[in-house]
Amino acid sequence: NAGVTQTPKFRILKIGQSMTLQCTQDMNHNYMYWYRQDPGMGLKLIYYSVGAGITDKGEVPNGYNVSRSTTEDFPLRLELAAPSQTSVYFCASSYSIWTHLTNYEQYFGPGTRLTVT
Amino acid sequence: DAKTTQPNSMESNEEEPVHLPCNHSTISGTDYIHWYRQLPSQGPEYVIHGLTSNVNNRMASLAIAEDRKSSTLILHRATLRDAAVYYCILMASGGGADGLTFGKGTHLIIQP
Repeated sequence: NAGVTQTPKFRILKIGQSMTLQCTQDMNHNYMYWYRQDPGMGLKLIYYSVGAGITDKGEVPNGYNVSRSTTEDFPLRLELAAPSQTSVYFCASSYSIWTHLTNYEQYFGPGTRLTVT
Repeated sequence: DAKTTQPNSMESNEEEPVHLPCNHSTISGTDYIHWYRQLPSQGPEYVIHGLTSNVNNRMASLAIAEDRKSSTLILHRATLRDAAVYYCILMASGGGADGLTFGKGTHLIIQP
């Protein structure tokens, strides 16, 4: 298994440009997440999805959009890039069963380093 | 979400055990204790998790206090590859839909 893959690895955007960060997982996980990590800080949740067709906002969703048309893919869209969106973006996935009182670990991709100038 | 408190940084020598503490005094009865680590320029990596009993796996051990208000991640024999930021995170039972809440973690420095 490749696990969680993200493209691109690096990107420089000009203010006002748009782009899509791609995320794919091959573990048949139902949950997927997008986080951002600013320098010296922990990760913050942008959006998450509990299954195909279902998405919800996390802690810092402003300026981003997501879609989940398949189990495998969870792209993150930046419509009007701003310098405040300069960060490292991580996609993650996990498997969860609502009826089971247990926890499952999240698997993270290698990240996309985005600079907006 | 219940919060965790960790030291900003810790230093240890290679091939010695490392004990990384975490305080979570407001933990609820159904919260699991998770540990992740992040190596330089990589995404976070799951290490271990537990609820009440101590847990062991191939990477580490997790010791949970009887009152569950604190826990300790134990690396039995640190190597240079264990130098990373270690995050202690609480997750509700059956949860995970709303993601993990990361603090700043503990920056572990391993001296050769």
